[in-house]
Amino acid sequence: NAGVTQTPKFQVLKTGQSMTLQCAQDMNHNSMYWYRQDPGMGLRLIYYSASEGTTDKGEVPNGYNVSRLNKREFSLRLESAAPSQTSVYFCASSEWGGPNEKLFFGSGTQLSVL
Amino acid sequence: AQKVTQAQTEISVVEKEDVTLDCVYETRDTTYYLFWYKQPPSGELVFLIRRNSFDEQNEISGRYSWNFQKSTSSFNFTITASQVVDSAVYFCAIARGGAQKLVFGQGTRLTINP
Repeated sequence: NAGVTQTPKFQVLKTGQSMTLQCAQDMNHNSMYWYRQDPGMGLRLIYYSASEGTTDKGEVPNGYNVSRLNKREFSLRLESAAPSQTSVYFCASSEWGGPNEKLFFGSGTQLSVL
Repeated sequence: AQKVTQAQTEISVVEKEDVTLDCVYETRDTTYYLFWYKQPPSGELVFLIRRNSFDEQNEISGRYSWNFQKSTSSFNFTITASQVVDSAVYFCAIARGGAQKLVFGQGTRLTINP
């Protein structure tokens, strides 16, 4: 019963470094999402993938890139990390991407950029 | 644009008290979906309930109940006889018809003291 698995759980970067956050789901879901959570701002959508082979920008895409590697995996890359990207990142998935569907979330990655 | 406001940043009550978490939303869409998610200390968001804009019927699930009122654009969440395990951050969210792009409120941190 893994659900949505994110790695790593914690990461500290220096400004300008790059890294990739990994996400995998085992529920055979078609749609996957990346959110960031900042104090007092709730969760904001960075990118999403409605289905394998497609990706689209969310509310706050600047400074990020994504790859839908296959149906199971959806990665988020920071090419040149900035302190403003210090946040908790959540990956999520849903079966078909419909607006009435519930999301299944991973446990999050806490990222600090110094 | 859609917006969700959870004006209560933090609430602290004593166990067995009833507590209501407020959620006010803004949207120009006629078709939309409202959600509540719970984020316990472990960090992973868990789906609690969804409502579509055409269904104003209130819902009760055990100690949890939800009051949806289109006239006031509100979707409030009440916990009856609160328990320590209810301590968490609770998020209200809205999705528009046609796409699963949740817009979250800022969240309410609920602490239940023994």
